[in-house]
Amino acid sequence: GEDVEQSLFLSVREGDSSVINCTYTDSSSTYLYWYKQEPGAGLQLLTYIFSNMDMKQDQRLTVLLNKKDKHLSLRIADTQTGDSAIYFCAESRGLRASKIIFGSGTRLSIRP
Amino acid sequence: DSGVTQTPKHLITATGQRVTLRCSPRSGDLSVYWYQQSLDQGLQFLIQYYNGEERAKGNILERFSAQQFPDLHSELNLSSLELGDSALYFCASSGRGTSENNEQFFGPGTRLTVL
Repeated sequence: GEDVEQSLFLSVREGDSSVINCTYTDSSSTYLYWYKQEPGAGLQLLTYIFSNMDMKQDQRLTVLLNKKDKHLSLRIADTQTGDSAIYFCAESRGLRASKIIFGSGTRLSIRP
Repeated sequence: DSGVTQTPKHLITATGQRVTLRCSPRSGDLSVYWYQQSLDQGLQFLIQYYNGEERAKGNILERFSAQQFPDLHSELNLSSLELGDSALYFCASSGRGTSENNEQFFGPGTRLTVL
């Protein structure tokens, strides 16, 4: 099917690492993305990874891609209250990666 | 600020009515996408336009239609509204040609409430 799947909720303690997982279906996806949606706002691209990469690190963010299992994860180190948001996994499809399929989003909440 | 604008910000209407949501893409972007976000369905892709022509269709109901005008702004028309159409409607744009990863830039959304 077309689904990009991710769990709906994740709760972590402030200062711990958060790991948000996602599975996708199209092995020919060119790019895989993580978008962040803060309360009352639209989605914003957080990071992305090209499909020929296994890992990408950007400050507190680490993206891991397992193409064999079609599994993508986002690790946020030292999670802060400002990281509270909904995180969407997405994959690109089609010509020039013009079609992007989003997961349903994982709501990350931070507890003190 | 993503550069994508949407109006109105909020819309309250009654069942059976018809509304039009408007989107202005980032300057230079040729593609416009419409999404519906509701609590029970998550983020659903509705439709994409590229330079005035329909490019891709998602889970868009027959009661809904969209168009993209020569100045590249887009409108989403929702008719015969039902309670279940209450949701956040997002517009996104892409395609300026400078982004290697086809990033979509999202507007702030229009919150539609059908009473």
